[in-house]
Amino acid sequence: ILNVEQSPQSLHVQEGDSTNFTCSFPSSNFYALHWYRWETAKSPEALFVMTLNGDEKKKGRISATLNTKEGYSYLYIKGSQPEDSATYLCASGGGADGLTFGKGTHLIIQP
Amino acid sequence: GAVVSQHPSWVICKSGTSVKIECRSLDFQATTMFWYRQFPKQSLMLMATSNEGSKATYEQGVEKDKFLINHASLTLSTLTVTSAHPEDSSFYICSAFVTSGFTDTQYFGPGTRLTVL
Repeated sequence: ILNVEQSPQSLHVQEGDSTNFTCSFPSSNFYALHWYRWETAKSPEALFVMTLNGDEKKKGRISATLNTKEGYSYLYIKGSQPEDSATYLCASGGGADGLTFGKGTHLIIQP
Repeated sequence: GAVVSQHPSWVICKSGTSVKIECRSLDFQATTMFWYRQFPKQSLMLMATSNEGSKATYEQGVEKDKFLINHASLTLSTLTVTSAHPEDSSFYICSAFVTSGFTDTQYFGPGTRLTVL
């Protein structure tokens, strides 16, 4: 994998259901994996920065896992709410270097 | 905390004119800021890294004479699109880099939509 890839591109989920989506990234020269939530007309909000293989982080109903050996990360949302509707971005890199972003997963929660 | 502002949020200009976009860290100091742009249906792409007090470093394919970056203080970086053309129409967004303990995070501004007529 040369680029950061996210799937699916878009996702419609019923309110109350749980969901997850994927980020694939180059496993060589790995530094960190970042997840952001981006609502229209707002700044992308940093959710997680993950560095260690096997790492798992949680923030409320949102959690993420990281596999640096195979180059993927999952983001999980439990009990989706309308306010979870946003585009979720993942990015590889960081430190004093810039980030390489995926195209994002556009999540729509339907009441 | 860690709020980044960007101004203007949108701008429309005529071809051949220059446009300046400001990126400010409001409640922290950032020695490094980054500039990205996003074309429709594409990912955010890094344009340049802006370091306070030194020249910016540009990614391959980004013209440094066209996209002038100035990082004169620890809270302000500016991007000037010189002699803008319609193909420069894009969404430009900045971030400020913050190190905290074992992690580091880039905090983003809300972006600037540039339309060149």
